[in-house]
Amino acid sequence: GENVEQHPSTLSVQEGDSAVIKCTYSDSASNYFPWYKQELGKGPQLIIDIRSNVGEKKDQRIAVTLNKTAKHFSLHITETQPEDSAVYFCAASSGYSTLTFGKGTMLLVSP
Amino acid sequence: ETGVTQSPTHLIKTRGQQVTLRCSSQSGHNTVSWYQQALGQGPQFIFQYYREEENGRGNFPPRFSGLQFPNYSSELNVNALELDDSALYLCASSLERYSQETQYFGPGTRLLVL
Repeated sequence: GENVEQHPSTLSVQEGDSAVIKCTYSDSASNYFPWYKQELGKGPQLIIDIRSNVGEKKDQRIAVTLNKTAKHFSLHITETQPEDSAVYFCAASSGYSTLTFGKGTMLLVSP
Repeated sequence: ETGVTQSPTHLIKTRGQQVTLRCSSQSGHNTVSWYQQALGQGPQFIFQYYREEENGRGNFPPRFSGLQFPNYSSELNVNALELDDSALYLCASSLERYSQETQYFGPGTRLLVL
């Protein structure tokens, strides 16, 4: 089955800095890679996703890159703000719409 | 807000008991997936329902079972509860069952087994 590794497990940055979270996956058939943000006591919220026919996607301060050859994808957040503090999960999906998640990255943005 | 709702929000049970968790999917979505999220971990796939039929199952024992109703709402049932079943249970709905469909999560039900 699919295995998703996520790094780092914790990330502390100063407000205004950039943050990068990296994930690798094992199943070459995976073709959909969403990123979710989870705040304390809440369910995961989709922030951006990328499909296998695209190498990069950007939405305002958030971007995701995908390298299918190396089987890794990354989340980039620029100009971080304190409200970006949360746990971020990467995930991968192949076949039917079931997701395999990484273990999460706790992002802390200090003012 | 995603439009996916779950009930109850919190639940306390004792070992050996049975529990039923409920999920209402986003309007127009025919696929519901259930996930278990242990503290400090990523969600783990339990099973998926598509048009009232089980469409896939993760590595969970048969005491985890589910249902999907004609209005596409869903239930997760867990029998013979164990301490390790304590977790946040999440449901997610999607427009279709295909791999590139976006899944929208509900707020979850936090289950504590004593």
